[in-house]
Amino acid sequence: EDQVTQSPEALRLQEGESSSLNCSYTVSGLRGLFWYRQDPGKGPEFLFTLYSAGEEKEKERLKATLTKKESFLHITAPKPEDSATYLCAVQATSGTYKYIFGTGTRLKVLA
Amino acid sequence: NAGVMQNPRHLVRRRGQEARLRCSPMKGHSHVYWYRQLPEEGLKFMVYLQKENIIDESGMPKERFSAEFPKEGPSILRIQQVVRGDSAAYFCASSSGRVLGEQFFGPGTRLTVL
Repeated sequence: EDQVTQSPEALRLQEGESSSLNCSYTVSGLRGLFWYRQDPGKGPEFLFTLYSAGEEKEKERLKATLTKKESFLHITAPKPEDSATYLCAVQATSGTYKYIFGTGTRLKVLA
Repeated sequence: NAGVMQNPRHLVRRRGQEARLRCSPMKGHSHVYWYRQLPEEGLKFMVYLQKENIIDESGMPKERFSAEFPKEGPSILRIQQVVRGDSAAYFCASSSGRVLGEQFFGPGTRLTVL
C-alpha cells in the first residue's frame, strides 16, 4: 500500500537554528513528491515538486531533496514566520491521480 | 486574480441532513480536487474533477458522497444524510494542470454534525 510517513511530528527551533524534516515514502512507482506548508486554520500552500532521485529545489530558506526512499526539507537559519505545519505528499504512477499525504511536521521557530 | 473560494466557511448540520459545499476555482483553472482533514490526521484525497467530468473518485466513500464540477458555476461536494463522523474540514484545491502538484487550496469548509 502506498504511504507517506513524516518525522518528527513536532519540532521546536531557535531562530537561526537550521534543521531538516523527513518524509519517507512507499509507493509502487513515483510520479512526483510534493511539499506544502499549512498555517493554522488555512489551506495548504504549495512549495515544491520533485520528480526523481537526486533532484533538489530551493526557495528562500527552504531546500527540498529526494532519494529513492525519502525526501528532506532543509530549513536554513529559520525565522519565526517559518512556523507552520509542513506536509509531504506523493502521487504514484499506478494509474491514479490520488495525492497521498503524510500527517505533517509542526514546526515552531522561537525568536 | 482571486484565489480559490469556498463557501460556506462553517456549516452546522444535524444528523440526517444534507451538506452542500461549494468551491470556486481560480480563474483559468479547470482541475479541482477535494480533500478531507480530521484533527491530527493528514489530508485525505477524495475526488479529482475536470469540467463536467469525474476523473478519479477513488477516495470518495461509496455511499452518501457525490461531487460535480459543471460547465458553469462552482464545484459542489454533496454529503447526504450526514453522520457525526462526517465532521471535518473539507478543502478544495484547483490547478491549471501545468505543474504536477501545484495546487492552490481554498480556506476550507468546517463541517460540524450535531
